[in-house]
Amino acid sequence: DGGITQSPKYLFRKEGQNVTLSCEQNLNHDAMYWYRQDPGQGLRLIYYSQIVNDFQKGDIAEGYSVSREKKESFPLTVTSAQKNPTAFYLCASIGDRGGDGPQHFGDGTRLSIL
Amino acid sequence: GEDVEQSLFLSVREGDSSVINCTYTDSSSTYLYWYKQEPGAGLQLLTYIFSNMDMKQDQRLTVLLNKKDKHLSLRIADTQTGDSAIYFCAETRWQTGANNLFFGTGTRLTVIP
Repeated sequence: DGGITQSPKYLFRKEGQNVTLSCEQNLNHDAMYWYRQDPGQGLRLIYYSQIVNDFQKGDIAEGYSVSREKKESFPLTVTSAQKNPTAFYLCASIGDRGGDGPQHFGDGTRLSIL
Repeated sequence: GEDVEQSLFLSVREGDSSVINCTYTDSSSTYLYWYKQEPGAGLQLLTYIFSNMDMKQDQRLTVLLNKKDKHLSLRIADTQTGDSAIYFCAETRWQTGANNLFFGTGTRLTVIP
């Protein structure tokens, strides 16, 4: 079945450590997105990519980095510069570049601080 | 303001109708969406409405759109315990070469047996 796979489901980070969250899709979608979800808040956009080798900052990009070397993969690195990384991270994709249409979501990665 | 607004909580009895409301901000949004999130899971697209429509019905779900007031609502008929979840509305906004989604805070629906 086609879909978006995020891994791991749970991740723990030590102080000063960078961690990478994986997002893979086999939907042949052009555009991919990363969101952060905090309790009682909606989703906030971290980064998005409309095409391979190109990505744009969202509203809360500081302390995060991404790459888009392959169409199907859009990993997110939470760097040590992100001082409050504990959150639920969601990856999404959309087939239509320039993006007018519903986004499809993965099941999320919950990141916590050790 | 620039936020998509929703009430945080709603409780209904099983079998009653639920109405979840949303106020959005961008009058040029082409589509408006409703997503459902169950505990520990990602977001599942429930339904969406094109901006030139006033209403869309899909089985137990009815979406109403009032463009003048920028108000969107989701009605769930005959609400079941399996409908307990967080419901997000989302609008599209043009942002640096793309139509991106902007989400409300989510409404937590609790269905009482």
